[in-house]
Amino acid sequence: AQSVTQPDIHITVSEGASLELRCNYSYGATPYLFWYVQSPGQGLQLLLKYFSGDTLVQGIKGFEAEFKRSQSSFNLRKPSVHWSDAAEYFCAVVTMDSNYQLIWGAGTKLIIKP
Amino acid sequence: EPEVTQTPSHQVTQMGQEVILRCVPISNHLYFYWYRQILGQKVEFLVSFYNNEISEKSEIFDDQFSVERPDGSNFTLKIRSTKLEDSAMYFCASRRGTGNTDTQYFGPGTRLTVL
Repeated sequence: AQSVTQPDIHITVSEGASLELRCNYSYGATPYLFWYVQSPGQGLQLLLKYFSGDTLVQGIKGFEAEFKRSQSSFNLRKPSVHWSDAAEYFCAVVTMDSNYQLIWGAGTKLIIKP
Repeated sequence: EPEVTQTPSHQVTQMGQEVILRCVPISNHLYFYWYRQILGQKVEFLVSFYNNEISEKSEIFDDQFSVERPDGSNFTLKIRSTKLEDSAMYFCASRRGTGNTDTQYFGPGTRLTVL
């Protein structure tokens, strides 16, 4: 069965530092890949997505993610975090087998140190 | 920019009561979804809906759950007899349906608390 792993439950970074959030998926073919962000008490906002083509995708709020087929990964990055980036980040995939249901990782909570 | 809306934002109910969670998807979208997120756990798929019928449902979506699109705009999730373990955040999502590569847009969620 398809699965998504986000190995880090919490990550703490200093404001202005760079960020990388890890995401690995398990699926035989290339899935469609997404990163969503959930701010406290808020809904799920799409940051970026990958379907095909250029493996480095740009999203909103200065985020980018790189798809690496050989590592089954889709890590999210930001060169310099802001206090407003404190939130929970979810990686999700859609596969042909899942009938377009989103399959979610457990999320990574980002904490920003002043 | 069009968005998915959900009401109420927070619902508190007694165990055994029926609740209806409401969603208004984006107007030209054709596929609708409910997901839930129990506190501290991952988001889980409940059900997808297309062309006025359920297209897929998860094991969680048992006989206590039902969905309906009663008019051209609302999409509802009903829980017939709530249990303590139904306490969660419920998210509605919709997508246009132009192809497999379009995106699901989420509402802000309804926090359901069952006492």
